[in-house]
This record gives sequence, C-alpha cells and structure tokens, in this order.
Amino acid sequence: DAMVIQNPRYQVTQFGKPVTLSCSQTLNHNVMYWYQQKSSQAPKLLFHYYDKDFNNEADTPDNFQSRRPNTSFCFLDIRSPGLGDAAMYLCATSRDPGGRSGEQYFGPGTRLTVT
Amino acid sequence: QQPVQSPQAVILREGEDAVINCSSSKALYSVHWYRQKHGEAPIFLMILLKGGEQKGHDKISASFNEKKQQSSLYLTASQLSYSGTYFCGTDPNSNFGNEKLTFGTGTRLTIIP
Repeated sequence: DAMVIQNPRYQVTQFGKPVTLSCSQTLNHNVMYWYQQKSSQAPKLLFHYYDKDFNNEADTPDNFQSRRPNTSFCFLDIRSPGLGDAAMYLCATSRDPGGRSGEQYFGPGTRLTVT
Repeated sequence: QQPVQSPQAVILREGEDAVINCSSSKALYSVHWYRQKHGEAPIFLMILLKGGEQKGHDKISASFNEKKQQSSLYLTASQLSYSGTYFCGTDPNSNFGNEKLTFGTGTRLTIIP
C-alpha cells in the first residue's frame, strides 16, 4: 500500500561525487515536492513540480537539480555533494499546490551521508 | 520567512493538555499541521483555510486567525502516541500556480506515562 516511495533509503556518497535520489508515487498526484531536512530542523523546500512545470526556490543551490520524466517519478540530482548537503531528503506529493485542496503525502525519506 | 512556533519543546504527562502556537509574518491563505516522529516522515494532521475556521478530530483540534496570522494546535488528554515534533506549514496568500508550504520552527512534544 506504499503511496510515496523513495529509493534508496540510505545513500553514502563521496565529496564531489554526483548522486541521484529517486521518488515514485502511486497516488497520481499532479504536484511533487523535494524537501531537505537537517537534524532538528524543519523540512526546507528545494523545488516542486506542478505537472511538468518546475518551480525552483530562490535559495536552492545550483548544485541541486531535478527531473520529472512522468507523473509517477521524480529525481533529485546533486551534482557535486558537499559535506553540508548531508541531510534527510523528503519527497512529497499533493493533489494540488500548497494548501488549497489537500494534504501533502511524504515518503519515508533518503538519508544522505557525504564522506 | 519561516513561521515561529512556541513553545520550542514541552514535556507532558499522559492525559494532560497542550497548546502549540504558530505565528507568521506574512498574510496566510492556509495553515497545515504535521507531526513527525524521530526518523520518520511527517504525517498530516489537518488543514485550516482562510476564514478563521476551527477544525478538529478526536482529541486534536486547531484554530486559525488570519488577521493575526496565527494558528494554534490543541492536544487534549494527550496520549503516548502524541509524542513527536509538530510543524505548522503555512501557505501565503499567493497567486494560483505557485503555492508552497513553509514549515515552522517546530515544537518537540514528549509525553511521559
């Protein structure tokens, strides 16, 4: 019954080595979000897709990119991970943007470690 | 700007009540509330929309005062399962097509037997 699936759950990468995190959903929601959550902090929105329209947050580093090849899948690419990028990365979906119609459904997250 | 929650942390005995506040510097269209247990994903609790409505289910309810740009979450007769970190998520009164949530600073709630 998994609705938002993230792979892998744990990822270890080396400083500067590109890494891709994946998210898939079975809810057929038109909005997908990527959040970064560091220890004891709130989730911070990196970007979101409304269907195919990509919306980047102003303070999201250029090092972070995203792809959404279809409704079900979304990828987070970190081109050159730094030690400061170590965090939990959460994918979420909603039927419509923000709070206009419904909740956000979160995946279990991928914990990224940078060595 | 990130909404500010108070208190930052609270410890309660099972059966006691709690109030968690969320205050924004921006006008709001809606407020979400989520609970996150350690190492897990946030779980949705409720949404409140502009209009000052108060929602609730079971022993968890919330209010939203858009004039004061504030929301409060009320936990009545707390249970051990209520432990976790609570986040409000706010949606500014923006144009359709670019809505998003900004999560508050969080409140860590610990319920002890």
